Amino acid sequence: GAGVSQTPSNKVTEKGKYVELRCDPISGHTALYWYRQSLGQGPEFLIYFQGTGAADDSGLPNDRFFAVRPEGSVSTLKIQRTERGDSAVYLCASSLTGQREQFFGPGTRLTVL
Amino acid sequence: GIQVEQSPPDLILQEGANSTLRCNFSDSVNNLQWFHQNPWGQLINLFYIPSGTKQNGRLSATTVATERYSLLYISSSQTTDSGVYFCAVERDAGGTSYGKLTFGQGTILTVHP
Repeated sequence: GAGVSQTPSNKVTEKGKYVELRCDPISGHTALYWYRQSLGQGPEFLIYFQGTGAADDSGLPNDRFFAVRPEGSVSTLKIQRTERGDSAVYLCASSLTGQREQFFGPGTRLTVL
Repeated sequence: GIQVEQSPPDLILQEGANSTLRCNFSDSVNNLQWFHQNPWGQLINLFYIPSGTKQNGRLSATTVATERYSLLYISSSQTTDSGVYFCAVERDAGGTSYGKLTFGQGTILTVHP
C-alpha cells in the first residue's frame, strides 16, 4: 500500500514568512509523529499525535511552531515568523495503534532565506 | 533524556566485505529500530528489534536489552548499501508508549566497487 506522503517536497521561503507543511499518514495509522533533521544530524522529535490530540508536544522548539490533526488523519505543521535556523528537513512518521514501529515519509526540505 | 551512541561514525568498505555497526543506549527501551537513510533522504525501515535477533537477507540485527546495546550486521556489502544508518530508541516509560524516538548520530557507510 501507499506509504507516508509529505508535501511539498521542497519549500523555500523568506525570513519572517509563515509556512505550512503537510503529512498524509499510512491509511489506518492512528499515531502520527513529526521530526526535524538538521544537516549531519539524526532526526529530532517534535510532536506526537494519537488520533486528533497531541499526546506529546515536548519537542516543539518554541511557540512559533504549531501542529494540528483535526480529523485524525492528515496533519499540518505550521511555522510562524520563520527564521533561518528553522531550515531543515521536516519528517513525518506514522504507526498503527498498539504497535510501536514507525514508518517515515520522504520529508519536506525547508529553506529559509 | 535517553542517550543513544552509534559507532563507528564513518565506515569505508570494499564491495563484498562484512561490517558490524553498534548502538549503545542509556536506559531501558520498548522500541528499537534500525534505519537506512538513502542518498535522497528517505528513512527505510530495516528492523524493529527491541530485543532478540532478526535476519533479512544479507542484514541481521541483535539487541541485548539487558546490556543496552544493539548490533547491525551487513554481510557481502554492495554499493547500494551506502548511506547513513540510524539507530533509534523509545525509552520504556513503564507500559505507556509515548511514541518519541530518540536517534543516534548515525554511521555513514561508503561501499566502493
